[in-house]
This record gives sequence, C-alpha cells and structure tokens, in this order.
Amino acid sequence: DTAVSQTPKYLVTQMGNDKSIKCEQNLGHDTMYWYKQDSKKFLKIMFSYNNKELIINETVPNRFSPKSPDKAHLNLHINSLELGDSAVYFCASSSGTGRYEQYFGPGTRLTVT
Amino acid sequence: GEDVEQSLFLSVREGDSSVINCTYTDSSSTYLYWYKQEPGAGLQLLTYIFSNMDMKQDQRLTVLLNKKDKHLSLRIADTQTGDSAIYFCAETLGDYGGATNKLIFGTGTLLAVQP
Repeated sequence: DTAVSQTPKYLVTQMGNDKSIKCEQNLGHDTMYWYKQDSKKFLKIMFSYNNKELIINETVPNRFSPKSPDKAHLNLHINSLELGDSAVYFCASSSGTGRYEQYFGPGTRLTVT
Repeated sequence: GEDVEQSLFLSVREGDSSVINCTYTDSSSTYLYWYKQEPGAGLQLLTYIFSNMDMKQDQRLTVLLNKKDKHLSLRIADTQTGDSAIYFCAETLGDYGGATNKLIFGTGTLLAVQP
C-alpha cells in the first residue's frame, strides 16, 4: 500500500491558470507538509499542517493556499500560475513527535508554459 | 542563516567507499538526517543520528557527527551502482518533537557510481 500518494504526477498548464495538487497519507500521521524542489534540486519547506491546523507558512506567496479537509489529506491550490512556479512539489507526513522522520510522496512535476 | 551546504557531485567506482559531507548551521539541532532521492522519485530516509552521538553505523552506512565543527558525513561502504542518486542531509530547527519542528535540507550531492 502506498504510504504517501500525490495526484497528479505531472501537471502542464499555462500561465494564469489555477490548479490543485492532492496529497493523501495512510500512515495515521498528524503532520503533513508541502515542499518545493526547484530545477537545481534545492528542496524547501512551504507549509506544514498538524491535525488540520496550519503550523508553518514559509513566506510563500498567497497565490498558494493549502487546505486540509482531514488529517490524512493536504491539498495545495495555486492561483494565477507563474513561470517561476514550475518545480516538483513534494508532500510529506510525519508523526510530528519524537524522532522527526518524514515520509515523502513521489512528487508532482508542475510545468507552467 | 539556514544554509546547509554539501558538495555538488561525487563520482566513485563500484566497490569503493563513498563519503558525502555536509555542513549545517544550527548547533541546537536535535536530529540530523540523510535522505536519498533516486531519479524521478521522492525522498527516502536512509538514516539519522541524534545530536549526542558521534557515530552511527547501519549496515553499509556510517554517519559521523562533529558537533564542534557542525559537520556531518555519510560513508557508504562497498558502493553499488544502485546507490547512484542525490543525497540530502537535513537538520531540524524548532521545538524538539513539536509540530513547529521543521527540516532544513542541504543542497544535495549527486553520487555517480561507475561500474
């Protein structure tokens, strides 16, 4: 069974569009994250949610809006897409306590043209 | 700052040992991690070390931690072609065990294993 899944795996869209990426984890974890990996493979946290509550927001433009309908899901909605949003977006989850082990999804490659 | 530095590239021959180095920034980091990313895939946790340890061995992997110099290294013994990937170190910042705890990843090292 897949622990952390993301859909879609690839997303190609035009500038100005609005798109969503979905993430689900079946590990029973309380904490979920979104990361952005740019073309140089640099990986940076964007958001984290703990029990559906936003905990970390790393100065991400407000065109990015995470939504957590329940603690197993964390979706990422992006408005007015820009060329610079092209990247691979990773979802991750962790138990959030003690040893800080995060489990990553396979990533969504977003290409904005 | 939150810069965690790694060398960009390492090339080794199959069967040799690989050593990947990392310099982190926060001396209060409680755990330090090594993640592996294969092409087109997400990150996979390889191993971790608690900050009160100097060394940890896990099969072919050996992690060395020098807290004074804020230096972390990952040694892979008997490197195989399947070890070819990008390796990221990561440090923790924030409240220990708390929800605000976050990982700061290094810049990544591409390990190429030549047959």
